[in-house]
Amino acid sequence: DTGVSQNPRHKITKRGQNVTFRCDPISEHNRLYWYRQTLGQGPEFLTYFQNEAQLEKSRLLSDRFSAERPKGSFSTLEIQRTEQGDSAMYLCASSSDRGRGGELFFGEGSRLTVL
Amino acid sequence: AQRVTQPEKLLSVFKGAPVELKCNYSYSGSPELFWYVQYSRQRLQLLLRHISRESIKGFTADLNKGETSFHLKKPFAQEEDSAMYYCALSGRGSYIPTFGRGTSLIVHP
Repeated sequence: DTGVSQNPRHKITKRGQNVTFRCDPISEHNRLYWYRQTLGQGPEFLTYFQNEAQLEKSRLLSDRFSAERPKGSFSTLEIQRTEQGDSAMYLCASSSDRGRGGELFFGEGSRLTVL
Repeated sequence: AQRVTQPEKLLSVFKGAPVELKCNYSYSGSPELFWYVQYSRQRLQLLLRHISRESIKGFTADLNKGETSFHLKKPFAQEEDSAMYYCALSGRGSYIPTFGRGTSLIVHP
């Protein structure tokens, strides 16, 4: 297992376009998280899945953002009608409820640039 | 609401000097505290958790509930310690950590 995998690693798009990011968690992990990180800031929570159920969403998350985790395996994060303020690194992480409590395993991130 | 504050954006020391990266938190219950590290061109990874009371790569961190702090310390910094360090907090029963803005540690030769 190579760890959490995210793609694409980089995405450049024009304002108003839709983008989708994919995250493949570590195979036995039932928890999956999406965070966003901008320059000079720490990771900011977006949403959390336990298996296929989306259990929590940040109140800061615009309705242009939607995430899914069909069958409790990989997850996708879609941003519709992108804005320049959406430019950021989008981080996916996974964890197991059987492992060391609280340890998140992060992917390398998907960097979004909105022109 | 839970909040993590890392007051220093940048900490610059010489090799062999002691290091202390500050972390203060705000949480009404009993928190779980973590330090994550991101080395250059690598992914974010867990360094240590307060509940484990362990020393990793010479780093230790003690939870001080009175001062609501969880500072990360190392007595003798090494060049390979240069990285971004993030303090994070999970509320009891929550699986979602809140991160601080991070401190960049630079260790000069």
